[in-house]
Amino acid sequence: AQKITQTQPGMFVQEKEAVTLDCTYDTSDPSYGLFWYKQPSSGEMIFLIYQGSYDQQNATEGRYSLNFQKARKSANLVISASQLGDSAMYFCAMRLDQTGANNLFFGTGTRLTVIP
Amino acid sequence: DAGVTQSPTHLIKTRGQHVTLRCSPISGHKSVSWYQQVLGQGPQFIFQYYEKEERGRGNFPDRFSARQFPNYSSELNVNALLLGDSALYLCASSLASNTGELFFGEGSRLTVL
Repeated sequence: AQKITQTQPGMFVQEKEAVTLDCTYDTSDPSYGLFWYKQPSSGEMIFLIYQGSYDQQNATEGRYSLNFQKARKSANLVISASQLGDSAMYFCAMRLDQTGANNLFFGTGTRLTVIP
Repeated sequence: DAGVTQSPTHLIKTRGQHVTLRCSPISGHKSVSWYQQVLGQGPQFIFQYYEKEERGRGNFPDRFSARQFPNYSSELNVNALLLGDSALYLCASSLASNTGELFFGEGSRLTVL
């Protein structure tokens, strides 16, 4: 069965510092995608970054980078130069390519608080 | 351009009632997915529709149903509401049927009393 585990219920980071949010996953499928979404208090989920299981290089999108370690089945999100607006819930998610659908499995999330 | 819009934003129902939630995708997006997010949890996949056909269904009872209209908007229907159906219902649209890059609305918060 597919599973996403986020072991950090809450994290604090000083403004302008970097922070790493942990995510481990479990699947026996060889082809999958890993995603990170941000959920502010408004409720909408905002796509941040994507990593395919066959991608050789770690994904980066501006201040976001994904530390993909396939053998360890981890896909940690690194946010550099934290800003106050980064305070939100962060969810790691996985999609199995064989489904051919937009069925994402989400973790339970990590609440990030950026301290001025 | 307008993002994904959902209505209503908040609603309160009693057990046994029926609810209809509506979603308008981003213009040009043909895929709509529905997710349920219970307080303190991550979203859970309910349905996906692409070009008016069901493309995926999560592990939800038959009380949950959905459809997509010719203009690609969508409705999620829940019958015989239970207390456990209280949640934030999120709609997401995308260009393709098999991408994880979804564009979410702000959700409909349902409270069942």
